[in-house]
Amino acid sequence: QSVLTQPPSVSAAPGQKVTISCSGSSSNIGNNDVSWYQQLPGAAPKLLIYENDKRPSGIPDRFSGSKSGTSATLGITGLQTGDEADYYCGTWDTSLNAGGVFGGGTKLTVL
Amino acid sequence: QVQLQESGPGLVKASQTLSLTCNVSGGSISSSGFYWNWIRQYPGKGLEWIGYIHHSGTTDYNASLKSRITMSKDTSKNQFTLKLSSVTAADTAVYFCARDRGSITGTVFDSWGQGTLVTVSS
Repeated sequence: QSVLTQPPSVSAAPGQKVTISCSGSSSNIGNNDVSWYQQLPGAAPKLLIYENDKRPSGIPDRFSGSKSGTSATLGITGLQTGDEADYYCGTWDTSLNAGGVFGGGTKLTVL
Repeated sequence: QVQLQESGPGLVKASQTLSLTCNVSGGSISSSGFYWNWIRQYPGKGLEWIGYIHHSGTTDYNASLKSRITMSKDTSKNQFTLKLSSVTAADTAVYFCARDRGSITGTVFDSWGQGTLVTVSS
């Protein structure tokens, strides 16, 4: 069971917008920045968003991130079939068993 | 651009030690500020952080695995290694090495290896 909670799946039509939530606690999201990763089938995860809302170079502005309290959200606009992938949130947890933590992943289907 | 590549046996017998190496190119593991991590992904999706070795040599491990993990680095070969002892079938996973750019307020894994599947057999 993952420390961060994500919906198992979301879906939307091409061109539409979708959001993926990531819920945590004060020991992780509440006091640390969140990153988001995209994992295409058969590939390694790829950094999409870091420090809650920043995009690495090369990541289109269709991808956005936000954080409020102990939750974070990834937004994707102008959905393309190539966006079909698993998406993970991640951060650091400062509880007794401190360490890196991830969400369970959300499968995005572009209908 | 830094690139990471995992190597090691794809099959390990139960109770033995899993040993993986991550070769880094396009950047030095001695570069200030970076953390060199191991992360695994179980069949069926979930990601689990295993631990890191800092450029200074400091290590930090997942508490649930701490008693079985050793991480080290070889700066002359620009590589770092993971050893996980007393493996069981529950350790079967794809193992990734990844670089954390060292944000003080969270994890930022900005470069990943392609991953290597390790199966633990009985």
